[in-house]
Formats: sequence, structure tokens, C-alpha cells
Amino acid sequence: DTAVSQTPKYLVTQMGNDKSIKCEQNLGHDTMYWYKQDSKKFLKIMFSYNNKELIINETVPNRFSPKSPDKAHLNLHINSLELGDSAVYFCASRAGTETQYFGPGTRLLVL
Amino acid sequence: GNSVTQMEGPVTLSEEAFLTINCTYTATGYPSLFWYVQYPGEGLQLLLKATKADDKGSNKGFEATYRKETTSFHLEKGSVQVSDSAVYFCALSDSLGANNLFFGTGTRLTVIP
Repeated sequence: DTAVSQTPKYLVTQMGNDKSIKCEQNLGHDTMYWYKQDSKKFLKIMFSYNNKELIINETVPNRFSPKSPDKAHLNLHINSLELGDSAVYFCASRAGTETQYFGPGTRLLVL
Repeated sequence: GNSVTQMEGPVTLSEEAFLTINCTYTATGYPSLFWYVQYPGEGLQLLLKATKADDKGSNKGFEATYRKETTSFHLEKGSVQVSDSAVYFCALSDSLGANNLFFGTGTRLTVIP
């Protein structure tokens, strides 16, 4: 039933580790996004993919690498995790209607 | 460039009080405007939207009117409930390229009985 799903919901890990967050949407949308929400609730776009191709990459460190195996999935891989990466990461998707649908978020805590 | 300036919180109101959360924007082109709501521990949900000037978005008793002359999209509700306690985000979607969303900083609303 879930339109946009993310796994895991919570992720606690040590500094320096590599981790992945997965996102799947069953809405048939062709554009997917990753957003980062910091501790002050500020939301900022990280990546945008359209039909499996990267169309925007904001000023995000290259330790973050999105991967889109198909139109329904956009995964986020993070290398060498740092304390400042602790945040909530939201996946979203959109068709041509401009309304974006968000996943429930992945709460990442780097220790 | 595109940006959204949102009234800072937190806002605390008694049940049945009138709510206004101010939002103004700067954009190139003709953006669409949105209010998203984030309930505690949950993701963002679209609350309402307006796609052109003078449009009024409404949902669950909330309303916002797209005012091009004042570049504003203020959120209002006539009588808030405890269940409205959440963080509210104003956002715009640019009309070019990827239609990315640009968010305001969010306003935390707490409604007390």
C-alpha cells in the first residue's frame, strides 16, 4: 500500500562506516529525490533523478552517491560517515503534476 | 534565485484559536506554492497547494492564497485543534528544470487544550 517507502527507518552507526538507505515508490513516478533534514528541521534538496538519470546534484559531498537501478528505486549510499551526516533523510517522488510525495524518512545517527 | 521565508516559531495556541503562519517567497518564473505538514515522528505530507496567482488552496480547514503582488502564501485556520500540533513547511516548486522543492525553515505549532 505504501506509496513511497524507505528502509531502514532508523540507522545508528559509527563514524567512518559506509551505509546505504533504500527508497522505493510504487506510484509510477519518473522523478525521485533525496532531501536532508537537519536537527533544526531545515529541509534541503540533495539529489534529483529523472528516469534513472541524475538531473541535479546540489552541493553535496561526493561521499554521498545516489544510485537508481530502475525508475521505482533511488538508493543513497554514504561513504566514510561523519558526525555531521546525522540527520533525517527523506526520499520523494513526483510525476508531471509538481506534487511531490514523501517517504517516512530515515533517521541516521552517526556516533 | 528561489527562496522561501517563513515565520519563525514556535507558535503556541489554545484550542479553537485562529492560526496564521506567514510565508513569503522569491522565485524566478512562475512557481507553484505548497504547505507541507510534518506530524511528530512522521514524514512530510502535502497539506495544500496553489499553482497560479490568486488560487486558494484548502484542506482540513486550512487555507492559503497565492498572492503574486505581495509574493506571499500565508497559512490560516479559523479554529485549531490539538491534533493540528505539527511542524508546517512552506515550499515552492520552480517552474523550470527538475521542479525541485525549496522549503522554508518550518514553523512548529503546538495547540494546548
